[in-house]
Order: sequence, then structure tokens, then C-alpha cells
Amino acid sequence: EAGVAQSPRYKIIEKRQSVAFWCNPISGHATLYWYQQILGQGPKLLIQFQNNGVVDDSQLPKDRFSAERLKGVDSTLKIQPAKLEDSAVYLCASSLDSGMNLFFGPGTRLTVL
Amino acid sequence: GQQLNQSPQSMFIQEGEDVSMNCTSSSIFNTWLWYKQDPGEGPVLLIALYKAGELTSNGRLTAQFGITRKDSFLNISASIPSDVGIYFCAGPPNTGNQFYFGTGTSLTVIP
Repeated sequence: EAGVAQSPRYKIIEKRQSVAFWCNPISGHATLYWYQQILGQGPKLLIQFQNNGVVDDSQLPKDRFSAERLKGVDSTLKIQPAKLEDSAVYLCASSLDSGMNLFFGPGTRLTVL
Repeated sequence: GQQLNQSPQSMFIQEGEDVSMNCTSSSIFNTWLWYKQDPGEGPVLLIALYKAGELTSNGRLTAQFGITRKDSFLNISASIPSDVGIYFCAGPPNTGNQFYFGTGTSLTVIP
């Protein structure tokens, strides 16, 4: 069974630029999550989708971050414009349903200069 | 968001020693999960616990779901070098299905 796929694996941009990350969850998984993991910290939930609807985006900085999950499968996370403090690993995870075990992708490491 | 506190923050042990770490929350949790994260990778699920008092083993790993449902414990017996990594507790509080992660325990095993 294929795991959660993410791209790119690494991205370096300058502050005020825009960036987008892509995630393809495990086939059949209804729930998709985006986490931000700053170096030395645990993953912080940014947004949770159930199929193509948003379950929780309370910790998403909506002035600069946006995410969508069209057709309830793939998802993209965008940052526009990026700030220095956005440097982190962005992890995508999926689960069969809400409240069930999460499976993570390898993450995208973002460096904002 | 929820605050899950893990202790200790880091551990340095000799190969062959046993390891204990815990996770506490201010809220009641329905499920406790323990993940391990290697450098440059996403977290990988180790053990899942679904009810208060449950004790579950996976090889050298044993985890327990606290009776109060506000804590969980992970033990690793006879540590080996490949146990090195960061261990996270995680789960959904009883108020919803959002998944929150702990602050992590970094484990270093000295051969």
C-alpha cells in the first residue's frame, strides 16, 4: 500500500515570496491533516479536512495561509506571503476517518531567508 | 489548541538500559497514540491505546493508557541504537476528533 506522498521535499524561498505544498493521502482515507513542525517542537495542527470539508482550522494563520482539498483527495497548502518564522517542516497526514490513527508523509522542509 | 506535556524532554542512556517516558494533558483523551520520528522523516505510529487502564505491548515497547485518561506512559526495554529518535504522544481529546501532539522526548542511545 502506498503511503502519504508530499512534494516538494525541500523548498528555500525569500521572505514575502509565495510557496505551495502538495499532499496525496493514502487511498480511501477520508481525513487529511496539515501540521507545522518547528525545529525542536512537536507537530502543530494547522488544518484538518474530512473529505473536502474543513473540520478544524483554528490554528491556521488565515491572513497568509490557505489550504484546499478539492474532490476530497489531494490537498495543497499555500503560504502567501512567507515570513521568516514560517521556516519549519510541513507534514501531511491522513487517516481512514476522524479520530483514527494518522499516517504521515515525509514532510516538506521550508526555509525562509 | 491542546497542550500535551511530555517528560523528560531528552534522555541519554546506555545501550541495554530500559527507558520510561510519560505524557500528560489537561483534558481527557479518548485515544492515546505513541509515535517515533527519525531525522528528516514523518512520525511513525508505534502503539495505539483505546481505553483507560489499557496496557499494550509491541515488541520491546509497552504503553499504558492512564486511569484518569489524562496521561499515558511508554516504556522501552533493553534499548538498542536504532531506538534513537524523538518520541511523541498524540491523540484526540474527548471534546473532538482533532489530533494533537506532545512536546516530544528525544532519546539518545550510547552504544
